[in-house]
Amino acid sequence: SYELTQPPSVSVSPGQTARITCSGDALPKKYASWYRQKSGQAPVLVIYEDTKRPSGIPERFSGSSSGTVATLTISGAQVEDEADYYCYSTDSSGNHVVFGGGTKLTVL
Amino acid sequence: QVTLRESGPALVKPTQTLTLTCTFSGFSLSTSGMCVSWIRQPPGKALEWLALIDWDDDKAYSTSMKTRLTISKDTSKNQVVFTMTNMDPVDTATYYCARCSPVGDTWYFDYWGQGTLVTVSS
Repeated sequence: SYELTQPPSVSVSPGQTARITCSGDALPKKYASWYRQKSGQAPVLVIYEDTKRPSGIPERFSGSSSGTVATLTISGAQVEDEADYYCYSTDSSGNHVVFGGGTKLTVL
Repeated sequence: QVTLRESGPALVKPTQTLTLTCTFSGFSLSTSGMCVSWIRQPPGKALEWLALIDWDDDKAYSTSMKTRLTISKDTSKNQVVFTMTNMDPVDTATYYCARCSPVGDTWYFDYWGQGTLVTVSS
């Protein structure tokens, strides 16, 4: 089965840049999307099609993809950005769609 | 304004069938390109995609669980119904429905319901 690999945790100080990676063999050919989930809440889409930001998502959130790694970048992370972040994509056949294991972002 | 709301039992017994309903507003599942998906999250664990149905009544299921899952839609009621058979305590999770939008040969989830916690216990 296909897997997307994320680091379990990332920690930054307020104002620093947080980068969360997502590794998957099919990412060179498949789009990734990213979701933020604050404690006790439903996930929220923050990036789709690797780099696009939905309306209402702050500009400090950006996405990129290079080779087998997609990256979510939060420039000038704020305490309110503390959350679990999940990437999502599909394998090369399109038959297996998966979420990554999630990354807990701590901003303090 | 797009909204989705999950409804169904909070508690099911092992071996029973779970039936959940997603009632949505702000879009129509008869509009080309629209789809609704079910995703779950066991307590303290990661998200897991389960099933999807699109405007053309095409359906997709998690490969590992497809024998247990059924998804259907009632366009006139703006509802999507999801069933999972032979429930087990490991199926205890918060179940979310989400609107999905296609991109390439996959999709992304742009609006989510608040989720409903389903506990499997005798």
